[in-house]
Amino acid sequence: DAGVIQSPRHEVTEMGQEVTLRCKPISGHNSLFWYRQTMMRGLELLIYFNNNVPIDDSGMPEDRFSAKMPNASFSTLKIQPSEPRDSAVYFCASSPRQGWDEQFFGPGTRLTVL
Amino acid sequence: GQQVMQIPQYQHVQEGEDFTTYCNSSTTLSNIQWYKQRPGGHPVFLIQLVKSGEVKKQKRLTFQFGEAKKNSSLHITATQTTDVGTYFCAGPNYGGSQGNLIFGKGTKLSVKP
Repeated sequence: DAGVIQSPRHEVTEMGQEVTLRCKPISGHNSLFWYRQTMMRGLELLIYFNNNVPIDDSGMPEDRFSAKMPNASFSTLKIQPSEPRDSAVYFCASSPRQGWDEQFFGPGTRLTVL
Repeated sequence: GQQVMQIPQYQHVQEGEDFTTYCNSSTTLSNIQWYKQRPGGHPVFLIQLVKSGEVKKQKRLTFQFGEAKKNSSLHITATQTTDVGTYFCAGPNYGGSQGNLIFGKGTKLSVKP
């Protein structure tokens, strides 16, 4: 079975540009999570969807960040405009049910904002 | 707010030595999960502990959940170079919605051959 798929794997952009990260969760999983990982702050939850509905977006840093899940097999995380401090690895993870089940992480997108 | 702390932050061992990482929660947890992240990789689920005092083994890895369900440990016997990576514990975030985990900062293990 395919795991969580993320694209692109690497993204280098200039400050002020729009960045869109994409995620395809494992088929049949009802929950989807977006995380950001940095050395300083570790693994931070940005937003969590259940059945395509945003449940908790309290981790979204500011209005420059937005996330959508138009259907059960696709989600996007958009940063507009991007800033150098947004440089990090962004992981998407999915989980079979709502609840504190194990999470399956994608390979991540390494974002560098110059 | 709720916190999950891990110690040590880094551990360097000689191959064949044992390794232990500790996870402490500010609140009682209904369960705790452990993940491993290889260098350049993504977190991979290892195990979930649910019962007070529970001990589970996976080959050379032993996981323990404290009696008060506020702490946990991961012990690796006779480390190998394949054990290199960062080990995270994670527990339910009761300040968030159901399904939201709070991760510790992790313990980064390096193994010298």
